[in-house]
Amino acid sequence: EVQLLESGGGLVQPGGSLRLSCAASGFTFSSYAMCWFRQAPGKGLEWVSAISGSGGSTYYADSVKGRFTISRDNSKNTVYLQMNSLRAEDTALYYCARQVGPDFWGQGTLVSVSS
Amino acid sequence: DIQMTQSPSSLSASVGDRVTISCRASQGISTFLSWFQQKPGKAPKSLIYDASSLQTGVPSKFSGSGSGTDFTLTINSLQPEDFATYYCQQNKSYPLTFGGGTKVEI
Repeated sequence: EVQLLESGGGLVQPGGSLRLSCAASGFTFSSYAMCWFRQAPGKGLEWVSAISGSGGSTYYADSVKGRFTISRDNSKNTVYLQMNSLRAEDTALYYCARQVGPDFWGQGTLVSVSS
Repeated sequence: DIQMTQSPSSLSASVGDRVTISCRASQGISTFLSWFQQKPGKAPKSLIYDASSLQTGVPSKFSGSGSGTDFTLTINSLQPEDFATYYCQQNKSYPLTFGGGTKVEI
């Protein structure tokens, strides 16, 4: 059974940093691209970042480029999202998902940016 | 960037109804389109990929069609558990983009 479990969310002040993790199980992790999406309170879905199965290619939404970094450790079946210079508008529920047209989603981890 | 436009943004329907949701891409995306269902307080659930292929375990009451710029999600025989918000997403090119969502209400 495919499982994706996000962690690392929390309350952070503007300008601060957080690192999100997504632990995967139930499939050959290195064979799949992984993505992060987010959903601000009461809003729709937004793509944040993607990484290829090998980790050699990464992609970012313009809204986070230069501030967020996606990475993966295929030995630990985990994908990460390092978020720096956080802004109020980054407040959202962050989901990790398998594949760019996702077939499986995690349950999400909440990031709140506020002073 | 490819813009995705869903219509309607909301609709009211009754149990047993057939519902159709439209999604239009600002440029051709072949069949690189997925549909998702999201219920309040829950993570999205994947329904359809490649415009018309049903994800494993999704009931056949859900169907998708279209290619190029115009796509449709159809839900037959609407049941109480189908009342949710539905999103389309293009995965033809980065940035990946979603439609604004269609809320299906009783």
